[in-house]
Amino acid sequence: QSVLTQPPSASGTPGQRVTISCSGSSSNIGSDYVYWYQQLPGTAPKLLIYRNNQRPSGVPDRFSGSKSGTSASLAISGLRSEDEADYYCAAWDDSLGGWVFGGGTKLTVL
Amino acid sequence: EVQLVESGGGLVQPGGSLRLSCAASGFTFSSHWMHWVRQAPGKGLLWVSRINSDGSTTNYADSVKGRFTISRDNAKNTLYLQMNSLRAEDTAVYYCARAVTGWIDYWGQGTLVTVSS
Repeated sequence: QSVLTQPPSASGTPGQRVTISCSGSSSNIGSDYVYWYQQLPGTAPKLLIYRNNQRPSGVPDRFSGSKSGTSASLAISGLRSEDEADYYCAAWDDSLGGWVFGGGTKLTVL
Repeated sequence: EVQLVESGGGLVQPGGSLRLSCAASGFTFSSHWMHWVRQAPGKGLLWVSRINSDGSTTNYADSVKGRFTISRDNAKNTLYLQMNSLRAEDTAVYYCARAVTGWIDYWGQGTLVTVSS
């Protein structure tokens, strides 16, 4: 079991808005930033959101992140077929002294 | 362009050893913390280890502590992961990753390690 909890799957139709949740605890999300990574099939992960809600250059503004207490969420608006991927949340865990990841959410564009 | 190229993966018997390498280019390697993250087949990401920019500080996941050693050679722009006492559950793609101001921003393409008899 992963330290951060994500739904295993999510889906939406093109143009729709979908959100992916990530639940943690006071030792990780509750005390540090949250990061989101996108992993397209057969490729390495790619940074999507850093410090809760910041987008690296090149990431479309259709992707947004938020955090409240010990939970975080990733929202994708204007869903496109190329958004079909696995999405992972991550944070530093003070108790474990290491990075922790969510189990990943497989996004399907119907 | 940031490039991270892992090598050294392969098939190893349980109890065996393997050393992974990660050749970095396109950035000032000696200025960045570096990480190893692994992904078992069909599974999620699991952080393995990290090392600071000059190699003086390292951290490990509990699952590999005492068996794996992370190191770096800044003169060669190369990150290493020495893996000893390998177990079947260590089978995974191992990614080398760069950190910037505390978080992982770039990942290599990974190298597959298979532990099996």
